[in-house]
Parts: sequence; C-alpha cells; structure tokens
Amino acid sequence: EVQLLESGGGLVQPGGSLRLSCAASGFTVSSKAMSWVRQAPGKGLEWVSSISDSGDRTNYADSVKGRFTISRDNSKNTLYLQMNSLRVEDTAVYFCAKPHWNYWADWFDPWGQGTLVTVSS
Amino acid sequence: EIVLTQSPATLSLSPGERATLSCGASQTISNNYLAWYQQKPGLAPRLLIYDVFKRATGIPDRFSGSGSGTDFTLTISRLEPEDFAVYYCQHYVTSPSTFGQGTKVEIK
Repeated sequence: EVQLLESGGGLVQPGGSLRLSCAASGFTVSSKAMSWVRQAPGKGLEWVSSISDSGDRTNYADSVKGRFTISRDNSKNTLYLQMNSLRVEDTAVYFCAKPHWNYWADWFDPWGQGTLVTVSS
Repeated sequence: EIVLTQSPATLSLSPGERATLSCGASQTISNNYLAWYQQKPGLAPRLLIYDVFKRATGIPDRFSGSGSGTDFTLTISRLEPEDFAVYYCQHYVTSPSTFGQGTKVEIK
C-alpha cells in the first residue's frame, strides 16, 4: 500500500526556519515526482512546490519562491521542504502528495495526512 | 494563472438527493486537465475524478464528472451519509496548478 507520512511541523516565530519531512512507503520517491500542497486554517488548497522524478528540476509557487526548498533523500525514501524566512501567512497544514507523473502540473494521489505549521510571535 | 470559481459555496441537501457542483475556469481547460477531490474535516483530500470524467480507483459510480472548456460539473447521483464533505476542483493545464475555493455539501 502506498503511504505518505509527514512530520516536522510546529510553532515557529516569524523569520524563522523549519524543515518538513515526508516518509514514503509502498513506492520509491527517487523514481517519482513529488509535491507539497498547503491549506491555511479554514481555507482552500494551495500548491507549494514540486520536484521531478529525476530530482534535477523543481518548481515553486511565487508565494514561496526564494524562501522554500524542496529536496529528497533517496536512501531514506523521504521528501523534504526546507522553509526559511517564514511569515505569518505561511501558517497552514502542509500535505505531501504524489503527482500522477508530471512535476510541472498534475493531479495528486495519494496524499499524506498533513503536518501543521504555525508561524506566530 | 488560471482561476477556478466553484459554486455554490454551500449546498444543503438530504441523503438520497442529487448534488450538482460547478467549477468555472477563467481560461479554457485544455486536454481535460481537471480533477475533483473530497475532503472531510481533519483529513487529507481524496482524489475522486481526474481528466474531467475518469473516476479514481475505488470511487463509487454515484460520483461523475462532466464538462469542457471553462465549465465543469461534479454530480453525486444519490447522496450517502459519508458524502457530506467539502469538494475542490483543480486544474493541471500548466503551472501553477490551482484549486477552486471549495463547495461544502452539508446535511439539510
């Protein structure tokens, strides 16, 4: 069974940093495109970032470009999202999700259960 | 950026009734690159429909998708108690892929 399990969320002050992890089981992240999607409290879904199956191409929403970095560790079968210069508006549940095949834009299935990031002083 | 607008914001229906949810796009959605998701409180979204009308694995046939161009519809033929949730449409024509703001289907 394909599963995704996020971790690393928490409370951080504005300007701070946090690294999210997404451990995959049932498939190898090294051969698949992967993405992060977030959802602010009580709001809709927003795509954040994606990495290609080869790992050499990445894509970011304008709202996080230059502050967030997506990466993966093939030996740990884990996806990461390094978040720097965090802002109050980055507060959200962050979901790890697998695009069908195209890292640039695609439908997502499956999704992890999400991890909450709260940016507040 | 393609903007998706869902209507209505809230749909109040009884179990057994038919639900019709709309998703309008600010630009033509090419190649049928539109999906629908269901989300229940505290849970991750679940893929229901992709490529406008293709049901995801395990999705019951009471869920159906239709539409073309800029107007799309998710229909739930007969609402079951477990179908009361929030539904989102998403396009994947190009980056950034965007989602609609959601339609909440609530028990009347």
